[in-house]
Amino acid sequence: AIQMTQSPSSLAASVGDRVTITCRASQGVRTDLGWYQQKPGKAPKLLIYTVTALEDGVPSRFSGSGSGTDFTLTITSLQPEDFATYYCVQDYSYPWTFGQGTKVEVK
Amino acid sequence: EVHLAESGGGLVHPGRSLRLSCAASGFIFDDFVMHWVRQAPGRGPEWVSDISWDSQTIHYADSVKGRFTISRDNAKNTVYLQMNSLRHEDTALYYCAKEGKILDHWGLGTLVSVSS
Repeated sequence: AIQMTQSPSSLAASVGDRVTITCRASQGVRTDLGWYQQKPGKAPKLLIYTVTALEDGVPSRFSGSGSGTDFTLTITSLQPEDFATYYCVQDYSYPWTFGQGTKVEVK
Repeated sequence: EVHLAESGGGLVHPGRSLRLSCAASGFIFDDFVMHWVRQAPGRGPEWVSDISWDSQTIHYADSVKGRFTISRDNAKNTVYLQMNSLRHEDTALYYCAKEGKILDHWGLGTLVSVSS
């Protein structure tokens, strides 16, 4: 199985900060990489698919980049509603695998 | 509007069985692959299984292979997860999800607790 490793596991930030989360795959996943946001008690919400494509309704302050094995989720100006846990996931091969998560907390 | 509603969770003893259901609406159900994903308390999501529109292609995570069976009834717009020989480590919130742009819609989940 492809292992997805996120870093950091948590970070503290302030409203208006630029936040970067990285995800590394144990082998290449082409562009089959997505990002989810999850808030407590809620299902994961799709933010980005195929590395860079923004899901409908997701604010443009979210962006994704990368290729092969190294990927990044960037939030350009953190908003109060963005404090949450973020997960990457690969759908390149079975079993699909998620990263362990990055919790974005208030500084 | 897409809506996915899971049901069938509960508290069971190790070794017992449960059958989860996921009722779908708001989209053409038999056009899409459907998935089950679970999330143990305090952990990240774990992909469990998926089934093609025609039930001909099915995949399982190694952790459930041989114990869980996914199926669907397109006439009822419902996907199922039959879970046998349940273990403590199967305790989790089980979500069904629709595959469009990766998993683009999720239900609210149904909680499965395996405990003696």
